[in-house]
Order: sequence, then structure tokens, then C-alpha cells
Amino acid sequence: KAGVTQTPRYLIKTRGQQVTLSCSPISGHRSVSWYQQTPGQGLQFLFEYFSETQRNKGNFPGRFSGRQFSNSRSEMNVSTLELGDSALYLCASRLVVEKETQYFGPGTRLLVL
Amino acid sequence: SQQGEEDPQALSIQEGENATMNCSYKTSINNLQWYRQNSGRGLVHLILIRSNEREKHSGRLRVTLDTSKKSSSLLITASRAADTASYFCATDVMDSSYKLIFGSGTRLLVRP
Repeated sequence: KAGVTQTPRYLIKTRGQQVTLSCSPISGHRSVSWYQQTPGQGLQFLFEYFSETQRNKGNFPGRFSGRQFSNSRSEMNVSTLELGDSALYLCASRLVVEKETQYFGPGTRLLVL
Repeated sequence: SQQGEEDPQALSIQEGENATMNCSYKTSINNLQWYRQNSGRGLVHLILIRSNEREKHSGRLRVTLDTSKKSSSLLITASRAADTASYFCATDVMDSSYKLIFGSGTRLLVRP
């Protein structure tokens, strides 16, 4: 089975712009989660989607949003980018059943100038 | 704040030696997972241990879990240079939050 894929892998944006990141989960996985990784804050949970519904959201401002499509693919959007949004954004998927392993993609590295 | 704290923050050992990393957490969990990350890339899942398990093995990896102390340890035996990476513990908290809470990570350097 192919793993979790994320596009693009690298992105450079300027302050004030917006960005959309994409994640394709492992085939058959219906839950997709997003995490932000920065040197200062470490790995932090952004949100989790299941069957096109957001089930939980982390402590991030409303500029961070996401959605999930009927084929389980997910996108996250960050509007009005700030320098502090520079980070590695990781997507993870897992089967329907909770309490199971999450499998991570390679990440999208976003640099905001 | 992060659920897990790991120690040491950094560890440097010689190839062939064993490496032990520790993780502590704060709240009740469903399971605890260990991940490896190479040079800022994606996270690779290593092992999952459930709250009712005390020890688990996978190849050269041995994980223990002590729920009374809210702590876990990861032992890598006979380390190799290719084990050089950052290692993170992540807790699946016993609520309906559907999220993993990650520790701060241990940077392991295995010298050839």
C-alpha cells in the first residue's frame, strides 16, 4: 500500500499570503490529522477529520482551517501568513478505529518570508 | 503544554551500544507510541504499547510502560549509525480528543 502523501513538499510564501496544503491518506484510512512542528513548540496537533467532519481542533487561531473530501483526502489552509507559521506541517492517517497507530506523511516544509 | 517530556534531550553513543530514552506523561492514556524522525522529515512509527501492556518488543526495540508512574522507556539494542535520528513518544489520551500529544523528543547520535 502506498503511504501517506503530502503536496507540495516545500513552499515559500510571504507574509500576508495564504497557502493550501494537501494530504492523501493511506488507502482505506478515513481519519486524517494535521500537526505543526517547529523548533520552539515541537509537534502540536492542529485538527482531525473523519468522514468529512472535523472532530477536534487544537489551540491554533482561526487562520488555520481544514477540510476533508469524500475520498478522505484532506487539505489545510492558512490565511494571512505570519513569519511564525514557518514550520513542517505533517499529516497522519489511520483506520476508522480510534486508539490505533497514526501513519505520517513526509511533511510539507513551509517558509514564510 | 505538551503531555510528554522526554529525557535525555540528546544522547550520543558508540555503534553497538544500547540506547535508552525515557518519556513521562501527565494524564491517563489509551496507548503510547514511539516515532522516529530523520533530519526534519516525516515521522516513522516504531511501536505502540497499550495501557494494559507492560512491555513490548519489536526487533531491536524494547518498550516498557509503567502507568502507575506515567512513564515509558524505549531501548534500542546494538545500535547502528542508521539509528541516528530524533525519537518521540506520543500519547493517545484517554478522552475523545482523537489526537496524539507528543513529547519533546530525544536526539540520538550513534557514532560509527
